Amino acid sequence: ETGVTQSPTHLIKTRGQQVTLRCSSQSGHNTVSWYQQALGQGPQFIFQYYREEENGRGNFPPRFSGLQFPNYSSELNVNALELDDSALYLCASSADGLNTEAFFGQGTRLTVV
Amino acid sequence: GQQLNQSPQSMFIQEGEDVSMNCTSSSIFNTWLWYKQEPGEGPVLLIALYKAGELTSNGRLTAQFGITRKDSFLNISASIPSDVGIYFCAGPRQGAQKLVFGQGTRLTINP
Repeated sequence: ETGVTQSPTHLIKTRGQQVTLRCSSQSGHNTVSWYQQALGQGPQFIFQYYREEENGRGNFPPRFSGLQFPNYSSELNVNALELDDSALYLCASSADGLNTEAFFGQGTRLTVV
Repeated sequence: GQQLNQSPQSMFIQEGEDVSMNCTSSSIFNTWLWYKQEPGEGPVLLIALYKAGELTSNGRLTAQFGITRKDSFLNISASIPSDVGIYFCAGPRQGAQKLVFGQGTRLTINP
């Protein structure tokens, strides 16, 4: 049990729609990173939020955006959904903008049809 | 981009056997992390390695940080059915803002 919780656990959306995924970080952690995991692959870094600011971004288009709140919880928003956005979305909680030890939530399985 | 290559990609073993897997990179890492992921779950951190040559154990799991800092190894002794899952190596990049992952080693155990 990592103390990192994500909601919802599963979601089905139609191509072109928008989606918001949520993550609550582990107590004492001020950093949330988001990852996309396609079937059969390792997680790919989307971006990190530290102290309510984006603190690093991977190779994902601008329609992937996020927020971090004062309690360090975070949202991932994806606009104009595409079929290839179907994946497991993971958030990872860590401290001080670092990922030397990151703890993951159970993920949100997004299916785009 | 930074690539971590894991081998083997999959393993089919008998319960009780020992398991060895490794992770290599063309670049140096200052930290190596090993995660296990089970179906429908997020990755769970097993072992973190911070120093070249370091050997760290967590129960039946032992991991080593390679001397060259370009590789790491994970061993599981006396495997049991609950060891089934996908094992990922990972290392921090981009000022430790992100983790890069290998493609995983899928472990299947025959009872």
